[in-house]
Amino acid sequence: DGGITQSPKYLFRKEGQNVTLSCEQNLNHDAMYWYRQDPGQGLRLIYYSQIVNDFQKGDIAEGYSVSREKKESFPLTVTSAQKNPTAFYLCASSKPSGTGVGNQPQHFGDGTRLSIL
Amino acid sequence: SQQGEEDPQALSIQEGENATMNCSYKTSINNLQWYRQNSGRGLVHLILIRSNEREKHSGRLRVTLDTSKKSSSLLITASRAADTASYFCATDQIFGNEKLTFGTGTRLTIIP
Repeated sequence: DGGITQSPKYLFRKEGQNVTLSCEQNLNHDAMYWYRQDPGQGLRLIYYSQIVNDFQKGDIAEGYSVSREKKESFPLTVTSAQKNPTAFYLCASSKPSGTGVGNQPQHFGDGTRLSIL
Repeated sequence: SQQGEEDPQALSIQEGENATMNCSYKTSINNLQWYRQNSGRGLVHLILIRSNEREKHSGRLRVTLDTSKKSSSLLITASRAADTASYFCATDQIFGNEKLTFGTGTRLTIIP
């Protein structure tokens, strides 16, 4: 079955540590996204990538980094500079659209819950 | 910043009743999408409505869009226990730099 796989499901970070969240898709989608969700809140965009080897900052990119070396993979690193990393992180992908990303549905993984030790 | 605001924040109804959720947004859009999120899971796309459409149906779902009022509504008819979830609207803003902006969600509880 095609879909998006996020791992791990739960992750704990120590002070001063960088951690990397994995996101893999086999939907052959060009576009991929990372969102952060805080309790009772909507999703906020961290980074997105419309094509391999290119990515753009979203609304809350500070303290995060990404890479897009392969079409299938879009890992997110939460760096020690992110002082409040506790949240639910969601990865998504979509087909490209010639007239804007909103023309296509986004497909989501089941998230990674990050907590601070 | 949040573009969409769902109303109500929480809604509890009896199984079999209809559920209506509303979404208001601030700036002009190309499209609006509705998503469902079960507790602890990712979002699932429900329906997309374009700015030149006024109403769209998918199974028990009916979505309306009023661009003059900058609002949309999602109606779920004949609700089931499995409809218990959070529902989010997401907008594709004109000149929005190729990204969706999600609202804060409505938490729907269906009482068996």
